[in-house]
Amino acid sequence: EIVMTQSPATLSVSPGERATVSCRASQSVSSNLAWYQQKPGQAPRLLIYGASTRATGIPARFSGGGSGTEFTLTISSLQSEDFAVYYCQQYNNWPITFGQGTRLEIK
Amino acid sequence: EVQLVESGGGLVKPGGSLRLSCAASGFTFSSYSMNWVRQAPGKGLEWVSSINSRSSYIYYADSVKGRFTISRDNAKNSLYLQMNSLRAEDTAVYYCVKVLDSSAYYYYFDFWGQGTLVTVSS
Repeated sequence: EIVMTQSPATLSVSPGERATVSCRASQSVSSNLAWYQQKPGQAPRLLIYGASTRATGIPARFSGGGSGTEFTLTISSLQSEDFAVYYCQQYNNWPITFGQGTRLEIK
Repeated sequence: EVQLVESGGGLVKPGGSLRLSCAASGFTFSSYSMNWVRQAPGKGLEWVSSINSRSSYIYYADSVKGRFTISRDNAKNSLYLQMNSLRAEDTAVYYCVKVLDSSAYYYYFDFWGQGTLVTVSS
């Protein structure tokens, strides 16, 4: 099983600033990595797939990068609606696995 | 508009069974692989099971293998999860989830239902 490790567990950032979440895979997943956003009481929403392709309707301030074992999700200028929990997911190998989540909170 | 509506959750005793259903609409259900993903209270996301469009490829997490069975009825646009021998650690919100890629090769998820809560407790 591929273990996905996100860092940090919690990230405190001020609105308007840049936030970067990291995700590391225990073995290469090529570019088969997705990012999701989840707000309290809601289902997750797909942000990024293929490591760097934004899903339909996702604002350009969200960007993904990396390949192999190291990935990042960057939010260039935080808006109030961006404070949420973020998960990475690999789909290169079975079983599909998620990172443990990063909580992005207002500083 | 894509809609995924789960039902069948509830309170069940350890060792009991439940059958979850997911009614899909707004897309060609028979063309897409479907999945169940769960989230224990206050915890992260855990993939449970996947089934391709023709039910010819089925995958399970080790934590549910041998106890849960995923199935689908393309004529009824419905996905199911039969859960047997339930344990306290199966307590979670269960989401019905659609893949974005109809090729059935890449399993990342573009639409999620609102989830149904399964509570396993005596």
